[in-house]
Amino acid sequence: DVKVTQSSRYLVKRTGEKVFLECVQDMDHENMFWYRQDPGLGLRLIYFSYDVKMKEKGDIPEGYSVSREKKERFSLILESASTNQTSMYLCASSSPGQGRNTEAFFGQGTRLTVV
Amino acid sequence: ILNVEQSPQSLHVQEGDSTNFTCSFPSSNFYALHWYRWETAKSPEALFVMTLNGDEKKKGRISATLNTKEGYSYLYIKGSQPEDSATYLCAPSNDYKLSFGAGTTVTVRA
Repeated sequence: DVKVTQSSRYLVKRTGEKVFLECVQDMDHENMFWYRQDPGLGLRLIYFSYDVKMKEKGDIPEGYSVSREKKERFSLILESASTNQTSMYLCASSSPGQGRNTEAFFGQGTRLTVV
Repeated sequence: ILNVEQSPQSLHVQEGDSTNFTCSFPSSNFYALHWYRWETAKSPEALFVMTLNGDEKKKGRISATLNTKEGYSYLYIKGSQPEDSATYLCAPSNDYKLSFGAGTTVTVRA
């Protein structure tokens, strides 16, 4: 059974804290993604990585950074958490595929609350 | 960022009834259209990945059609069951990235 595992289901952090969200996949996928989901909005891409140590900004990268030191692990870092980063965070992975039309596999999500 | 619209935002269906809803997306630079089902407390799961104009895919009671020239896709649920209650997300792709719509939340009433 393929798996994308996020380190926490629920997190509560204080404003200004540095926050790490961890994601691990066991499918040997090259591509990994971090999204956030807010009510009334679709999943919005924060960052993605198509190889170890490679990263590209998504649509809303401000206030975030990422790290991909190993193929199976992709970390999202909130440098200084703010209340507007309270959200559901989803990690996903996919193989490059022919024509980039391969499905993405998602983790269970981390609901982060910044107080 | 691709402008992706899904309608309606939510709908309620009586068990046994059929329903459908829409995903609209820019038709230029189209590569693929993904549909995902996201049940409460679970991870989103892929239903279909569609690439060809006129494509039609089916998975049990759920099917989808694709019109790339006019930029829309329909998802159909035949004979809705309570387990079909979920948010259905569509996402066109034109490179590595998927651009998700806000989803259609389906509630099936027994």
